[in-house]
Amino acid sequence: EIVLTQSPGTLSLSPGERATLSCRASQSVSSSSLAWYQQKPGQAPRLLIYGASSRATGIPDRFSGSGSGTDFTLTISRLEPEDFALYYCQHYAPSPSITFGQGTRLEVK
Amino acid sequence: QVQLQESGPGLVKPSETLSLTCTVSGGSVSSSSYPWSWIRQPPGKGLEWIGYIYSSGSTNYNPSLKSRVTISVDTSKNQFSLKLTSVTAADTAVYYCARYFDYWGQGILVTVSS
Repeated sequence: EIVLTQSPGTLSLSPGERATLSCRASQSVSSSSLAWYQQKPGQAPRLLIYGASSRATGIPDRFSGSGSGTDFTLTISRLEPEDFALYYCQHYAPSPSITFGQGTRLEVK
Repeated sequence: QVQLQESGPGLVKPSETLSLTCTVSGGSVSSSSYPWSWIRQPPGKGLEWIGYIYSSGSTNYNPSLKSRVTISVDTSKNQFSLKLTSVTAADTAVYYCARYFDYWGQGILVTVSS
């Protein structure tokens, strides 16, 4: 099973700052199978990034993904108030090795 | 725009079977090339993939749940379903259905308690 470890557990930043979230895989994974999600309280997760770097439909360009092998990054270039939320990375193929990271909480400093 | 809605009992007794249905609108389960997924999230915890099904009926399950899970599809009703047997308190969670992982339902809280 591929284990995804996200860091930091909590990131405290101010609106307008740049956020960098990390996702490390226990073994090398295909970049085409790495996704990022945003989840706000009481809501379902929202797909942000798939294939490590492709933005999902309707996702603002301040969100970007990068990385390969075992190290992946989600960057939010300039934080908006609505960006403070939980973020998860996911390895989604091939099944049955579909796993999520434990999440990074992005909070207002 | 594809929309999904979970339905089913919000309370299940230990050792019984949890049964949920996901109704799809704005798209067809039979014509989609994407599989249809179930994911769960225990209160205050992270996400766990349960499994998914293609319109053909082909399934893939999380190995940790495989012995207790069945996912099925009803193309005539544009629905797919989840059955999880022999539930315990550890199965208490918000259960989400999704089209692969791009469109998600709002989720349904299922509590396992006597």
